Amino acid sequence: EPEVTQTPSHQVTQMGQEVILRCVPISNHLYFYWYRQILGQKVEFLVSFYNNEISEKSEIFDDQFSVERPDGSNFTLKIRSTKLEDSAMYFCASSGALTSGETQYFGPGTRLLVL
Amino acid sequence: AQSVAQPEDQVNVAEGNPLTVKCTYSVSGNPYLFWYVQYPNRGLQFLLKYITGDNLVKGSYGFEAEFNKSQTSFHLKKPSALVSDSALYFCAVRGEDNYGQNFVFGPGTRLSVLP
Repeated sequence: EPEVTQTPSHQVTQMGQEVILRCVPISNHLYFYWYRQILGQKVEFLVSFYNNEISEKSEIFDDQFSVERPDGSNFTLKIRSTKLEDSAMYFCASSGALTSGETQYFGPGTRLLVL
Repeated sequence: AQSVAQPEDQVNVAEGNPLTVKCTYSVSGNPYLFWYVQYPNRGLQFLLKYITGDNLVKGSYGFEAEFNKSQTSFHLKKPSALVSDSALYFCAVRGEDNYGQNFVFGPGTRLSVLP
């Protein structure tokens, strides 16, 4: 069964450093998402991406964040200058269509720890 | 604005007993409702969804959920719980006017099935 994969599974970085989180969505999916989950809190939407453009972003997704689909398979989330409060689990998701009833399939997540 | 409530942080049930994990929602327009499960150190796995039609939806691993429009609820149920069902369960909603198609997640309910 196809699945979303994410690398790395864990990332530790120093405050102020740049990190890039990588995702490989399901191969025939066209819509991509990033969510985050701060420890013990709810899963929060960051950004959705389609056709090489951001479709929607939350207020969390400020200028420190960017997304990119650098090739035909990867979808990346870059945090330019990490803050302590960026420590969280980051989930990538993909879906095959942009309809309200479409299921999003999630990757296993990258646990980011900012020191 | 869309919102999801899961009124119970923790649900404990004995193996073999029926289980219910509660979810209520608020959206404008028709709701599209989803349940995901998160096992330790794993991503979110899709269980089931309600888009339209029959109010009782059946999903993976013997789970089902009942959509109740008047009570704005979408409770997750299983007739006979297994110890392996112990996990974190998230309810998510998307409204029909959500053009970005992102989910709004509830805070999660931790289910513990006791042997």
